[in-house]
Amino acid sequence: GNSVTQMEGPVTLSEEAFLTINCTYTATGYPSLFWYVQYPGEGLQLLLKATKADDKGSNKGFEATYRKETTSFHLEKGSVQVSDSAVYFCALGVEKLTFGTGTRLTIIP
Amino acid sequence: DTGVSQNPRHKITKRGQNVTFRCDPISEHNRLYWYRQTLGQGPEFLTYFQNEAQLEKSRLLSDRFSAERPKGSFSTLEIQRTEQGDSAMYLCASSLARIGLAGAYEQYFGPGTRLTVT
Repeated sequence: GNSVTQMEGPVTLSEEAFLTINCTYTATGYPSLFWYVQYPGEGLQLLLKATKADDKGSNKGFEATYRKETTSFHLEKGSVQVSDSAVYFCALGVEKLTFGTGTRLTIIP
Repeated sequence: DTGVSQNPRHKITKRGQNVTFRCDPISEHNRLYWYRQTLGQGPEFLTYFQNEAQLEKSRLLSDRFSAERPKGSFSTLEIQRTEQGDSAMYLCASSLARIGLAGAYEQYFGPGTRLTVT
């Protein structure tokens, strides 16, 4: 079956630091890959997605590339802001989604 | 712009009671999903519908759980004879699957219903 392994948190960074949150997966078939974000007190929101190998998803300064050779979909941002503090979930699937356990990110001014 | 809505937002019940949750998807979305999320974990898939047809159920969905989407619009998730292990956040999501277009469709999540079984 499908599974997602996500970098354990919590992660604490200073404002304007570079962010990487690692995500690796095992999958059968050709799933799409997603990053979802959950801000404090809010529901899950889709941050970005990639539907096939070598696709790059991007949104709000975040990027992730679907790497089939390393079965990875690492999330990166060049300069984080306090407002990026949230829990980030890596997920994969076609119909149903399989999620990682989430990484809590805290950005300090 | 109305997103996915869920009611109630919070439910506290005693062990052994039945509970029912409702999900209203984005109006034109034909797929509806239920997930469960426990503290410190990611959401786990429970079941999903395309229109009124229930297409897949997880092994997590014991026979105490039943979900319906009778007219292909809103959905209900009922848990009978609740147990303390059922305490979790129950999430609903919807998406628009386009005929003839394969691949994953973006799922939009509701705020969830937090169930506490005492």
